Amino acid sequence: DTAVSQTPKYLVTQMGNDKSIKCEQNLGHDTMYWYKQDSKKFLKIMFSYNNKELIINETVPNRFSPKSPDKAHLNLHINSLELGDSAVYFCASRGRRQETQYFGPGTRLLVL
Amino acid sequence: AQSVTQPDIHITVSEGASLELRCNYSYGATPYLFWYVQSPGQGLQLLLKYFSGDTLVQGIKGFEAEFKRSQSSFNLRKPSVHWSDAAEYFCAVDGGSQGNLIFGKGTKLSVKP
Repeated sequence: DTAVSQTPKYLVTQMGNDKSIKCEQNLGHDTMYWYKQDSKKFLKIMFSYNNKELIINETVPNRFSPKSPDKAHLNLHINSLELGDSAVYFCASRGRRQETQYFGPGTRLLVL
Repeated sequence: AQSVTQPDIHITVSEGASLELRCNYSYGATPYLFWYVQSPGQGLQLLLKYFSGDTLVQGIKGFEAEFKRSQSSFNLRKPSVHWSDAAEYFCAVDGGSQGNLIFGKGTKLSVKP
């Protein structure tokens, strides 16, 4: 069973479109995250949710809106996509603080 | 602010040779430290982690890392590299109460036959 899953795995879209990426974890974890990996492979936190509440919201454009319908899901909606949004987006989840953070396989977004 | 530095962008080693990937961190308290590996086109897999206790940590795939508080380092080692170890390696520190990870910029490992 996949612990943290993301859909879609690949996403190619035009500038200006709106798209969503879904994430689900079956580990029973309370905390979920979105990270962005840019073209230079640099990984940076975007958002963190704990029990469906937003905890971290880094300096991310407000075109990005996370939504957590329940503890097991954290979706990422992106409005008005720009070329610079092209990246790999990773979802992750964690139980208690000292536990491992598990990552999903990533969603490779290409904006044309 | 917390930060992680991986000074080597790209390292090439011969298959069977030993490996050491460097990682330095900046953190006020006792850090929680991690090494992750990312194979091409893949997600992130945890190799090992340090929270407390024994400063030499064993991980998967024959990797180990040593926490040295005096040097603010958490270097990753492997005695004999296999071709399948070619990948991108990321060192990370737990960023604080929210538990998000702060990553270094990664070290790309290439393995020569």
